[in-house]
Amino acid sequence: QVQLQQPGAELVKPGASVKMSCKASGYTFTSYNMHWVKQTPGQGLEWIGAIYPGNGDTSYNQKFKGKATLTADKSSSTAYMQLSSLTSEDSAVYYCARKGDFDYWGQGTTLTVSS
Amino acid sequence: DVVMTQTPLSLPVSLGDQASISCRSSQSLVHSNGNTYLHWYLQKPGQSPKLLIYKVSNRFSGVPDRFSGSGSGTDFTLKISRVEAEDLGVYFCSQSTHVPPTFGAGTKLELK
Repeated sequence: QVQLQQPGAELVKPGASVKMSCKASGYTFTSYNMHWVKQTPGQGLEWIGAIYPGNGDTSYNQKFKGKATLTADKSSSTAYMQLSSLTSEDSAVYYCARKGDFDYWGQGTTLTVSS
Repeated sequence: DVVMTQTPLSLPVSLGDQASISCRSSQSLVHSNGNTYLHWYLQKPGQSPKLLIYKVSNRFSGVPDRFSGSGSGTDFTLKISRVEAEDLGVYFCSQSTHVPPTFGAGTKLELK
């Protein structure tokens, strides 16, 4: 069965960077786009971007360009999202989700940016 | 960006009721390939969203047939024929016809 495993929580200081992971199993990792979605109580669900692990092609929401960088490691079937220059506005739950219809989601990583 | 407007934001129901949620988009969701990429999800407290319906009316694997989706162009509806306790939570619509994909604000289905 398809599974996307994400760490439950990250705590980082303002100004720092964080690299979140999403380990895929149960399907051919290189065959489907992996998307990343941000969820906050105020802004709801926002699409950050996507990566096609087969060739590394990426697509970003203009709003998150310069903030998020997506990569993928085919050898470990893991997608990564790095967020840089963190502020309190980046505190949120971040999900990875498979394919354009987001048919499977990870459990989400809760990012807290605090000193 | 395409704005997705869901109504109502809160929907109090009794178990066994029929429930209907509307989702309207600010632009047509018909893709140049003829497909309409409008999807519905359910998020329960403390969980990630789960896909229910994809491309307007297709039930995802394992989704009960009491869930149905319909609509076209800019106007879409999710119906639950007889609400069960496991159906309570927040429903989101989303479109992936246009980039970036966007989501509605959510409709909370709760008990009266």
